[in-house]
Amino acid sequence: AQSVTQLDSHVSVSEGTPVLLRCNYSSSYSPSLFWYVQHPNKGLQLLLKYTSAATLVKGINGFEAEFKKSETSFHLTKPSAHMSDAAEYFCVVNLNYGGATNKLIFGTGTLLAVQP
Amino acid sequence: KAGVTQTPRYLIKTRGQQVTLSCSPISGHRSVSWYQQTPGQGLQFLFEYFSETQRNKGNFPGRFSGRQFSNSRSEMNVSTLELGDSALYLCASSLSAGGATDTQYFGPGTRLTVL
Repeated sequence: AQSVTQLDSHVSVSEGTPVLLRCNYSSSYSPSLFWYVQHPNKGLQLLLKYTSAATLVKGINGFEAEFKKSETSFHLTKPSAHMSDAAEYFCVVNLNYGGATNKLIFGTGTLLAVQP
Repeated sequence: KAGVTQTPRYLIKTRGQQVTLSCSPISGHRSVSWYQQTPGQGLQFLFEYFSETQRNKGNFPGRFSGRQFSNSRSEMNVSTLELGDSALYLCASSLSAGGATDTQYFGPGTRLTVL
């Protein structure tokens, strides 16, 4: 069965320092992976997605993620944190059975705090 | 292009009542999915509709149901509400019924409180 595991429930960084949010996936075939962000009392916003075209994926607001098959990881990074990055981040896999479904499986989320 | 819209944004009901939530997808999108978000269970898939047909269903009791109209708008219904149904219900739309490159875009959610 496909699943994702977010290794940290909380991450705290100082403004201007790098961000690393870790995600491992489990899949019997090549997955579609996503990172979504949720700000307080808001819906989910897509940051970036991996669909096997390139292993290094660039997203919005300076975020990027690298797909590493050998490590079954899809960690999210940003070189320099901004106060507005404080939010909850979800690593997500699409259970894509031959292209006939859009069932997303969410990780448990990582709450990112950015200190001034 | 307008995003996914959900109505109402907030709802308060009492146990035993039923509720209907509405979702309007992005123009041109034909797939609509519903998710429940709670502090204890996180984000869980409810069901997905494409061209008025339910394509996939999560592990929720039969009290949770949905439908999709010919204009792709979708509604979900919860009957005989329980306290545990209190949650943020999120709707997402995408162009097609799947595929590696298909992306789901989420609405702001409906916050349901059951008293």
